[in-house]
Amino acid sequence: DTGVSQDPRHKITKRGQNVTFRCDPISEHNRLYWYRQTLGQGPEFLTYFQNEAQLEKSRLLSDRFSAERPKGSFSTLEIQRTEQGDSAMYLCASSLAFGNLNTEAFFGQGTRLTVV
Amino acid sequence: AQSVSQHNHHVILSEAASLELGCNYSYGGTVNLFWYVQYPGQHLQLLLKYFSGDPLVKGIKGFEAEFIKSKFSFNLRKPSVQWSDTAEYFCAVIPNYGGSQGNLIFGKGTKLSVKP
Repeated sequence: DTGVSQDPRHKITKRGQNVTFRCDPISEHNRLYWYRQTLGQGPEFLTYFQNEAQLEKSRLLSDRFSAERPKGSFSTLEIQRTEQGDSAMYLCASSLAFGNLNTEAFFGQGTRLTVV
Repeated sequence: AQSVSQHNHHVILSEAASLELGCNYSYGGTVNLFWYVQYPGQHLQLLLKYFSGDPLVKGIKGFEAEFIKSKFSFNLRKPSVQWSDTAEYFCAVIPNYGGSQGNLIFGKGTKLSVKP
């Protein structure tokens, strides 16, 4: 149990449908990251939040992707009008980043998306 | 743009051989450095981290890494690998901006295969 929970673990969707994933970070962590990982590649950064503020979003990220962290706790990642190229593992991680109090990022198990 | 380079895509070793995986980053300021491991079918786990202090860092399972600031490197080493070390290894960097952390950026990973 890593402490970071992602739901669902697997999602199969038809092309053109919208999907939403949820991430629950470790409770005291103020930073939350979203990554995408395909087979044989490193985690590709999508976006990250500090509390409820979205601090950075990848320039490679399509407008079809949007993420929220409304109360600075859990986060959702939505993909609209899914395409086959969106098929990947979507990873969430959380950490504590506050002045000199910094921890490493802890990862969830990921949500595997398959677009058919 | 900041980046993390891992020189070896796939390394194949026999048990008891020594391991060194290269990692270089492109950021001129202060950084936090990490090595993560991903065993087949499992989530990313932290092997070791460097925030400050002794540049030779010891991690779990006999791994260590050395931060060489002048070379922008953070190479991972293990004197004697085991079959159970077969996994994918990711180097990651967080640049620091005036005491506050930036984004967590990953390299593309090195796949390690250890022959029994």
